[in-house]
Amino acid sequence: KAGVTQTPRYLIKTRGQQVTLSCSPISGHRSVSWYQQTPGQGLQFLFEYFSETQRNKGNFPGRFSGRQFSNSRSEMNVSTLELGDSALYLCASSLAGVTKNIQYFGAGTRLSVL
Amino acid sequence: GEDVEQSLFLSVREGDSSVINCTYTDSSSTYLYWYKQEPGAGLQLLTYIFSNMDMKQDQRLTVLLNKKDKHLSLRIADTQTGDSAIYFCAERNNQGGKLIFGQGTELSVKP
Repeated sequence: KAGVTQTPRYLIKTRGQQVTLSCSPISGHRSVSWYQQTPGQGLQFLFEYFSETQRNKGNFPGRFSGRQFSNSRSEMNVSTLELGDSALYLCASSLAGVTKNIQYFGAGTRLSVL
Repeated sequence: GEDVEQSLFLSVREGDSSVINCTYTDSSSTYLYWYKQEPGAGLQLLTYIFSNMDMKQDQRLTVLLNKKDKHLSLRIADTQTGDSAIYFCAERNNQGGKLIFGQGTELSVKP
């Protein structure tokens, strides 16, 4: 079974641009969560999607948004990029149930904002 | 509030046991997890424990949970150089899929 796939793996953007990152979950997984990892702040939760609906949201500005498609694939978008958005963005997928919710992570997309 | 604390560094000799510790604050945590991250990679799930368990063993890994003290530990037996990585403790409560992570413990294994 294929794992969580994130594309692209690396991305370089300049301040003010916008970016879209993609995540394909493990087959059969219906929940997708996104995390930002930086050296200063560590791993921080961005949002979680289930059945095309945002189920949970972290403390990030509105420039960070996401969506989930009917096939459970998810995208996150960051508009008006700032230098501080440089980070590793990790996507995790899990089965639908909240009870166990074992999250499996992809390799991440490393975003550099110049 | 939600907070997870870990020590930042641990250095051991190959063949020794490693013990990585974690404390958390949310008493409603239902599941606690250990993830491993190698350089340039994502997070690899190592093991998890449900909050009504005290211990879980999985090959070289032993997880101990002291719910009263909100303390979690991961013991790696016969540590190998390939175990060198950053280890993250994470908790999840009943409010959806959000994981709260510790800062990560960098494990260095010397031959």
